[in-house]
Amino acid sequence: DAGVIQSPRHEVTEMGQEVTLRCKPISGHDYLFWYRQTMMRGLELLIYFNNNVPIDDSGMPEDRFSAKMPNASFSTLKIQPSEPRDSAVYFCASSPRQRGEGDTQYFGPGTRLTVL
Amino acid sequence: QKEVEQNSGPLSVPEGAIASLNCTYSDRGSQSFFWYRQYSGKSPELIMSIYSNGDKEDGRFTAQLNKASQYVSLLIRDSQPSDSATYLCAVNIPYAGGGNKLTFGTGTQLKVEL
Repeated sequence: DAGVIQSPRHEVTEMGQEVTLRCKPISGHDYLFWYRQTMMRGLELLIYFNNNVPIDDSGMPEDRFSAKMPNASFSTLKIQPSEPRDSAVYFCASSPRQRGEGDTQYFGPGTRLTVL
Repeated sequence: QKEVEQNSGPLSVPEGAIASLNCTYSDRGSQSFFWYRQYSGKSPELIMSIYSNGDKEDGRFTAQLNKASQYVSLLIRDSQPSDSATYLCAVNIPYAGGGNKLTFGTGTQLKVEL
């Protein structure tokens, strides 16, 4: 399996521009997670989906952030308009159905976003 | 109190020694515990999971869980320079309405010195 795929790997944009990050989870995984990692705050969960349905978006910082999962093999995280404080590494992760002992999450390579 | 707490380090150990990494968590309802390793500039990689009290061994790694004390640890035997990384403790925190959320500590930086 190719693992979780994210694109782009690096994104540099100017404040006010729209940014779209993309993720392809591992085939057969029912759960998809978006995280943001910064030096100051560590790894934070933004939103997660189960069977393409958003379950918890309480970690989304504000209305400028939105996420969609139109099908089982694709998800996007959009920031509009972007701000310099959004600069971070954004990870997508997926996991299989829970088997009674909790889920194991597999992370993609991340997208390093820089907003100037 | 943070939901998952770790000492940020850096923790320095000589090559061949045992490295001990510790983590505490706040929610007694948590049932699943994980250790991830993250090299600089890379994504987190799962190295151990543990669900029951006691020890779980996998090669040079041993995870220890004590639910009564809300404490989970990771021991790395015969530490190698390639073990130098940040180790993230992750705990499944249950939601009040069902389901759970994987919550990460801020990580402990480990340096294995020659």
